[in-house]
Order: sequence, then structure tokens, then C-alpha cells
Amino acid sequence: EVHLLESGGGLVQPGGSLTLSCAASGFPFSNYAMSWVRQAPGRGLEWVSHISGGGGTTKYADSVKGRFTVSRDKSKNTLFLLMNSLRVDDTAVYYCAKEIIGPSFDYWGQGTLVTVSS
Amino acid sequence: QLVLTQSPSASASLGASVKLICTLSSEHSNYAIAWHQQQPEKGPRFLMKVSSDGSHNKGDGIPDRFSGSSSGAERYLTISSLQSEDEADYYCQTWGAGIHVVFGGGTKLTVL
Repeated sequence: EVHLLESGGGLVQPGGSLTLSCAASGFPFSNYAMSWVRQAPGRGLEWVSHISGGGGTTKYADSVKGRFTVSRDKSKNTLFLLMNSLRVDDTAVYYCAKEIIGPSFDYWGQGTLVTVSS
Repeated sequence: QLVLTQSPSASASLGASVKLICTLSSEHSNYAIAWHQQQPEKGPRFLMKVSSDGSHNKGDGIPDRFSGSSSGAERYLTISSLQSEDEADYYCQTWGAGIHVVFGGGTKLTVL
């Protein structure tokens, strides 16, 4: 059974940094690209970043480019999102998602809340 | 520009059927899309991919009550025999070249 578990969310001041983790199980982690998708309070879904199965290719939404870095550790079956220079409008629940061809997403985590506020 | 348009809300009675619509921007009318369900206070759940010819591939464990279809630039999600747990937000999602992921604004379904 596929399982994705995010962690690392919390309250951070504007300009601060935070690293999110997503522990994956139930599938061959290195064989699949992964994405981060976020949802601001009361709003819809917004794709944030993508990383290929091997980790060699990354992509970012314009809203986070240059501030966020996605990475993965195949030995730990874990996906990461390093978020720097955080802004109030980065406040959201962040979900990790397993990609299928498209890309679309066939499995999602339960999310972790990031609140950027002074 | 690749855009997905959804009505903000829909409603239907318990046991009835409902058809949700996702409209692609006209120049992208042949694109496939995916439907995701988000129940209150939960993460999204993949329902299915719907191609331009109306064929669809459902996710693991998705009941037969959920089906997909297409007409032109419109992609549909039909839910039959509505149950209370179907009350949720439904998002369509597609992709452009170079890992360009786009979500529709979502439709909030109320089961009366």
C-alpha cells in the first residue's frame, strides 16, 4: 500500500527558512517522479515543484523559483522541500504527491501546514 | 495559455447523480485531464484520468459510481448514487509541456 507522510511544517517568520520532508513507502521510490503541491487557506491547489525519479531534473513554479529547493534521498525513501526567504503568501498546507505519466498524481499525502507570520 | 475552468459549486440529492464539468482552454481542447477529490480536512485523492476520446483510467479503489467522459473541450466527472461522503471539493488538473501542471479552481459539491 502506497503511503506518503509529510512533516516539518510549523510557524516561521517572514524571511525565514523551513525544510519539509515526505516519507514514502509501498512503491519503488527511485522509479517515480514526485511533486509538491500546496493549498493556501480556503483556496485551491497550486503545484509547487517536481523532481525526477533519479533526482537529476527539478522544476519549480514561478512563485517559488529561486527560493525553494526540492531534493530526494533514495536511501531513506524521503522527499524534501527546502524553503528559504519565506513570505506571508507561502502560508499553506503542503502536500507531496507521487507522479504518474502526464504528469498527474496518483497518490497524495495528508499534508503539513506552513504558517508564515510575524 | 493553458487554463481549466470549473463551476465553483454544485449540488445534488442523496442517491441521485451529478455531472461535474471541467473546460479546457480552446487551443488545448485535445488534452487529457485528471480528477482529484478532496474531502473536508483531508488530502486530495486521485479519482481518474480522462482522455479527449472519453476513455478513463481510475485510481486504486475508486468505486464504479465514479466515471469520466469528454466532449470537445469539456471533461466530465459523473458520480451516480450519491452518498454523503461524496460531499467534497473536486479538482481537475492537466499538464503542459515541460512539467507545466495546471489545476482548475475546484467545484464544491454539496449532497442534499
